[in-house]
Amino acid sequence: DIQMTQSPSTLSASVGDRVTITCRASQSISVWLAWYQQKPGKAPKLLIYKASSLLNGVPSRFSGSGSGTEFTLTISSLQPDDFAAYYCQQYNSYSRTFGQGTKVEIK
Amino acid sequence: EVQLVESGGGLVQPGGSLRLSCAASGFTFRRYWMSWVRQAPGKGLEWVANIKQDGSEENYLDSVKGRFTISRDNAKSSLYLQMNSLRAEDTAVYYCARDNDIVGATGSCDYWGQGTLVTVSS
Repeated sequence: DIQMTQSPSTLSASVGDRVTITCRASQSISVWLAWYQQKPGKAPKLLIYKASSLLNGVPSRFSGSGSGTEFTLTISSLQPDDFAAYYCQQYNSYSRTFGQGTKVEIK
Repeated sequence: EVQLVESGGGLVQPGGSLRLSCAASGFTFRRYWMSWVRQAPGKGLEWVANIKQDGSEENYLDSVKGRFTISRDNAKSSLYLQMNSLRAEDTAVYYCARDNDIVGATGSCDYWGQGTLVTVSS
């Protein structure tokens, strides 16, 4: 099975900061990677698919990049609504896997 | 408006069974792959199973193979998860989710239900 490793596990940042989260796959997954945002007590929300494609309606301050085994999610200017947990997910195989998550908290 | 509403969660003893349901509305259910994803209390997301549009293909997380069965009824726009031989480590909120049908996005989930809590404990 493909393992997904996110870093860091927790990130402390301030409003306006540029934030980057990394996700590494245990084997190449091409560009078959999605990013989700989850707030406490809520269902996850899809932000990005195919590594860098922004879902309609998602603010442009979110961006994704990468291919193969290394991927990044960047928030260009952190907003109060962005404090949440973020997960990567590979869908290269039918047995999909998520990263362990990154919590973005207020510094 | 796309809606996914899970039901069927609750408290069950180890070794017991439970059947989760997900009622879908606001889209043509039979055209989409569907998935179950779970989240243990205070933990991350874990994909559990998915099923093809016509039910002809199913895939499972290794740790639930042989114990869980995903199914669907396209006439009723409903998704199911039959869970047998439940263990304490199956305790989680279980989400029903729809696969994105955008080219290059199938495999990511664009709509999620609110989740239903399954607690396995004696």
